Amino acid sequence: SQQGEEDPQALSIQEGENATMNCSYKTSINNLQWYRQNSGRGLVHLILIRSNEREKHSGRLRVTLDTSKKSSSLLITASRAADTASYFCATDELDTGRRALTFGSGTRLQVQP
Amino acid sequence: EPEVTQTPSHQVTQMGQEVILRCVPISNHLYFYWYRQILGQKVEFLVSFYNNEISEKSEIFDDQFSVERPDGSNFTLKIRSTKLEDSAMYFCASSPDQSYGYTFGSGTRLTVV
Repeated sequence: SQQGEEDPQALSIQEGENATMNCSYKTSINNLQWYRQNSGRGLVHLILIRSNEREKHSGRLRVTLDTSKKSSSLLITASRAADTASYFCATDELDTGRRALTFGSGTRLQVQP
Repeated sequence: EPEVTQTPSHQVTQMGQEVILRCVPISNHLYFYWYRQILGQKVEFLVSFYNNEISEKSEIFDDQFSVERPDGSNFTLKIRSTKLEDSAMYFCASSPDQSYGYTFGSGTRLTVV
């Protein structure tokens, strides 16, 4: 089973629209993080939400966490063409004792100008 | 803003040869990581390093791999005898603590021919 699976796998929207990406995970966690990756580049940390938090905001980003459903969502409001990238959720894995992050498969977001 | 620096950006090597990938983590970070991403696939955890020793490793990180912090600034990943399937982007990351976001380098694209 996979820790950290995003859906949808791909999302195409128009500039100005909101983009919502979801992540599900399998084990208990300390925190869940979202990263962004432009094609062929390194990952950029966007936001971290701890297991005792339910919602967090950072600029145009809003992250929610539901530990009872083992799921998280990332909302990007008022999207821009520059938001085009792949977005990954990542978690530690309390049940296995893994502290290093395990990444999901990612959502490829295309924002059409 | 502090960066994680990786060199080289691209390395081509013959199958069976040894390669060393180099990273300079952020100076006040304590945890260092290597991840890899085969083209079109997930970002996979290889190893984490803390206090001059490996703290965690994945099943991918077998005897062909080793890591070292030879001085106060560099963090290296050595692949002893490269295989074709080792071709991937290798990312180095660092964090001040395991419960913080990671800062990733831009990666080294390793091509084994």
